[in-house]
Amino acid sequence: QQQVKQSPQSLIVQKGGIPIINCAYENTAFDYFPWYQQFPGKGPALLIAIRPDVSEKKEGRFTISFNKSAKQFSLHIMDSQPGDSATYFCAARPDSNYQLIWGAGTKLIIKP
Amino acid sequence: SAVISQKPSRDICQRGTSLTIQCQVDSQVTMMFWYRQQPGQSLTLIATANQGSEATYESGFVIDKFPISRPNLTFSTLTVSNMSPEDSSIYLCSATTPPEQYFGPGTRLTVT
Repeated sequence: QQQVKQSPQSLIVQKGGIPIINCAYENTAFDYFPWYQQFPGKGPALLIAIRPDVSEKKEGRFTISFNKSAKQFSLHIMDSQPGDSATYFCAARPDSNYQLIWGAGTKLIIKP
Repeated sequence: SAVISQKPSRDICQRGTSLTIQCQVDSQVTMMFWYRQQPGQSLTLIATANQGSEATYESGFVIDKFPISRPNLTFSTLTVSNMSPEDSSIYLCSATTPPEQYFGPGTRLTVT
């Protein structure tokens, strides 16, 4: 019940396409859902996060879609660029006093 | 936000020795964490570094192997003791400024 399941494991998209990465959870107590971007040799960087009281959040070319009833959330990258090639992790937690529960990660490659 | 630095950025150590990794945050933070990440894998929480008290370790991690200090609200150390090649990994420091959680650049440890 503490798991966050992330898919796909890897994804290749042409430049300008819209990669979509999906995550699913079981614990209805989760109330914070961040996405992280990690480049090789770097630490994860917080990209965007959402709370369950909204269904969508946009920051630049990155959008989180949240479906509370389905217990799923996804990351969309608009107008993807080769510089977006990285590993993306979703995560979730019940509140700030708890550790993040991590997805397995998605290795995204944007082809020029 | 919080900017986190780690020292050293990488090291090659002989088995049986110990290495202490330092983590410095540019502002006072509530919670600090230490993670381990194998190449191509997700993040595994080692422990929560508690200011002024003993760290809280996750299952599979023990204080004798991974002693942690947190003398104040901006600094923590992780020691990897009596190292073996299985300890070769990337070690990441993390800190929260609720609700966000930020990461350092990581310490790449190779044990020979």
